[in-house]
Amino acid sequence: AQSVTQLGSHVSVSEGALVLLRCNYSSSVPPYLFWYVQYPNQGLQLLLKYTTGATLVKGINGFEAEFKKSETSFHLTKPSAHMSDAAEYFCAVHGSSNTGKLIFGQGTTLQVKP
Amino acid sequence: EAGVVQSPRYKIIEKKQPVAFWCNPISGHNTLYWYLQNLGQGPELLIRYENEEAVDDSQLPKDRFSAERLKGVDSTLKIQPAELGDSAVYLCASSLRVGQGAYEQYFGPGTRLTVT
Repeated sequence: AQSVTQLGSHVSVSEGALVLLRCNYSSSVPPYLFWYVQYPNQGLQLLLKYTTGATLVKGINGFEAEFKKSETSFHLTKPSAHMSDAAEYFCAVHGSSNTGKLIFGQGTTLQVKP
Repeated sequence: EAGVVQSPRYKIIEKKQPVAFWCNPISGHNTLYWYLQNLGQGPELLIRYENEEAVDDSQLPKDRFSAERLKGVDSTLKIQPAELGDSAVYLCASSLRVGQGAYEQYFGPGTRLTVT
């Protein structure tokens, strides 16, 4: 069975500082991994995804994530935080290749201080 | 291109009343998902449709929840009767799946249900 753990339900950074949101996964098959962002009262928007190939994945809004199989991690980073990055971020793993089911972590709320 | 449309956006009902949510997926998307998102939690899949067939409804509480996707396009999720614990956001998503693999799911804005 697949599962996702996001370390830290709340992360606070200063504007311009590095953003690091942690995600660890458990999967019995090679995982497909996703990061979604959710702004207040909106649906989830895909930031980036890893399926196969290059382990460093670049997404929208300057975010990137690195798949590390040995650490079962898929941490999300951004070099310089903007106020507009304040939102909730969800890491997800694809249940298996033939179900289409996404299994989400609990989410991390990112606060950006001026 | 229009995104996933959901209505209503907000709904307040008394317990034991019925409620229905509607979802119109992105045009051409063959797969439709209903997720439940409790406060402070990630979404959890309730049901997944491939065209008009419910292919994964193992997490749907069938004693009070029902769903349909007539003609393989829009979908309705119903709760009857609603309980206080059903207060949550109900998200609809859609994707275009061709064979196996990971396909991006596009989410609607959700319906926030409050049961009093």
